[in-house]
Amino acid sequence: EAGVTQSPTHLIKTRGQQATLRCSPISGHTSVYWYQQALGLGLQFLLWYDEGEERNRGNFPPRFSGRQFPNYSSELNVNALELEDSALYLCASSRGLAGVSYNEQFFGPGTRLTVL
Amino acid sequence: GENVEQHPSTLSVQEGDSAVIKCTYSDSASNYFPWYKQELGKGPQLIIDIRSNVGEKKDQRIAVTLNKTAKHFSLHITETQPEDSAVYFCAASRGGTSYGKLTFGQGTILTVHP
Repeated sequence: EAGVTQSPTHLIKTRGQQATLRCSPISGHTSVYWYQQALGLGLQFLLWYDEGEERNRGNFPPRFSGRQFPNYSSELNVNALELEDSALYLCASSRGLAGVSYNEQFFGPGTRLTVL
Repeated sequence: GENVEQHPSTLSVQEGDSAVIKCTYSDSASNYFPWYKQELGKGPQLIIDIRSNVGEKKDQRIAVTLNKTAKHFSLHITETQPEDSAVYFCAASRGGTSYGKLTFGQGTILTVHP
């Protein structure tokens, strides 16, 4: 069974540009989560999508946005990039809300975003 | 919101020794506590988790204990091997409207010396 996949592996942008990161969940999973892992810091929760809807959002500015497609894959968009946005962006997936009390989240390898 | 504190930040042991990593959480409504192992250049890998209705769980050389009263949970690795060297993260989550969000500790760099 294929795990969570993310693309691209690396992304280099300049300040002010926009970045788009993509994630495909494990087959059968309907929930997708995005986390930011900045150097020296732990994982910070960004966004959670389930069944195409945004379910929860972390303490990040509105220029961090995303969406989930009908096939449950997801996209994270970061507008007006700032130097401090440089980080590893991790996507995780889990079974969806229906009938699930605990959400085991399985992570992809991440996209390394560098803002120059 | 939830806050998770993890200690120690670095841990160095000899092969065959045991390693213990401890976490405390602030939200008494948290009911799910996973542990992740992250190797260099890879995403975090779920290695074990515990629910709030259980005090202890074991999987081969790995065990996790939970003390709900003290809001404290720990990861125990016995008979450590060099391949156990990695960064370990604890996390906590609650149900309801905050379901889905994992709050992570700051991580522990474990080094196992051959």
